[in-house]
Amino acid sequence: EVQLVDSGGDLVQPGGSLRLSCAASGFTFSSFPMAWVRQTPGRGLEWVSSIGFSVSDTYYADSVKGRFSISRDSSKNTLYLQMNSLRAEDTGVYYCAKYRLSGQRYFDSWGQGILVTVSS
Amino acid sequence: DIQMTQSPSSVSASVGDRVTITCRASQDISSSLAWYQHKPGKAPNLLIYAASSLQSGVPSRFSGSRSGTDFTLTISSLQPEDFATYYCHQTNTFPLTFGGGTKVEIK
Repeated sequence: EVQLVDSGGDLVQPGGSLRLSCAASGFTFSSFPMAWVRQTPGRGLEWVSSIGFSVSDTYYADSVKGRFSISRDSSKNTLYLQMNSLRAEDTGVYYCAKYRLSGQRYFDSWGQGILVTVSS
Repeated sequence: DIQMTQSPSSVSASVGDRVTITCRASQDISSSLAWYQHKPGKAPNLLIYAASSLQSGVPSRFSGSRSGTDFTLTISSLQPEDFATYYCHQTNTFPLTFGGGTKVEIK
């Protein structure tokens, strides 16, 4: 059974940093692209970032480009999201998500979600 | 960026009703569209991918269709467990974008 467990959420001040982690199990982690999606208060779902199989195979929403960095460690079956220069509008629940297939950007498995609060 | 305009934003319906939700893409996305169901406190759940393919394990009362840049999710006979928010999601081009969501509420 596919399992994704998100962790690392916290209350952080504006301008601060946080690193989210997503521990994967139940599938061959190295064979699937992964992503982060968030739900912010009063707004719906927003795609944040995706990663394929190489350092250059990364994509970001304009709202986080230059501030967030996605990475993966296949030896640990873990996905990461490094978030710097955090803003109040980054507050929300963050989910890691697995692509249904490489080349198909549909998210067929999700983590339980982790709350990030940016506030002074 | 590709905008996904989803309607209605909310709908009140009764158990057994047929419910239709629509998403319009701002440009051609081929059939690169998914539908998700999202309940409070839970992770979103993939229902439909490639506009009309039913994800494994999803009840057959859910179906999807495409006409040009218009996409439809239909629930043929609403069940109590279907009250949730539904999102469309275009996967054709980065940045990936979601519709604004449709909340299906109990009438």
